[in-house]
Amino acid sequence: DVQLVESGGGLVKPGGSLTLSCAASGFNFRDRWMTWVRQAPGQGLQWVGRIKSKEDGGTTDYAASVKGRFIISRDDSSDTLYVQMNSLKTEDTATYYCYTDIWVGELSEYVQQWGQGTLVIVSS
Amino acid sequence: DITMTQSPSSLSASVGGRVTITCQASQDIRKHLNWYQQRPGKAPKLLIDDASNLKRGVPSRFSGSGSGTYFTFTISGLQPEDVATYYCQHYETAPHTFGPGTRVDI
Repeated sequence: DVQLVESGGGLVKPGGSLTLSCAASGFNFRDRWMTWVRQAPGQGLQWVGRIKSKEDGGTTDYAASVKGRFIISRDDSSDTLYVQMNSLKTEDTATYYCYTDIWVGELSEYVQQWGQGTLVIVSS
Repeated sequence: DITMTQSPSSLSASVGGRVTITCQASQDIRKHLNWYQQRPGKAPKLLIDDASNLKRGVPSRFSGSGSGTYFTFTISGLQPEDVATYYCQHYETAPHTFGPGTRVDI
């Protein structure tokens, strides 16, 4: 089964750092562009950033609100996506999701898979 | 960056009723638009991509239309299980911003 499982959330003080993981299984992770999205409590969805596959350059793009503080990376040997979050602010408090679009040949279409999310609380 | 706006921010309709949500982009995104459903406590679910392409397994009462900067999302025959927040998202260029969401109640 296709699955994405986020982990690493927790309580961190303002100015601190935290790294989240997104473990992938059931599909060819190395071929997929991966995206992080977050949702503050009671608020809407915010696109955080994405990383392309290494075949497509492995480059990253970020939302303005996290650029320079967050670093998205991937380890294709362990099928894991990461986001290293530095200089955390209270406004970074949110549930963080990873997602990707997977080509399903039998359906002749892309299927989008999301993880269940991991909660990050930035508070003193 | 491209800004997405949605209206209304919330609405209430009767079971069996018709619901229409609009989404506007701050610049031309062609048809590069997704519509999502998010139920409380759950991850978002992609319903429609390419502005009007209904994803497999999604009930046909959901539909989308539009191109360029103006898009609409319709539920024809609202069901109790459709109570959720709906978001549009563009994917023209990064960052792939979301609209602020529309909460749909019965």
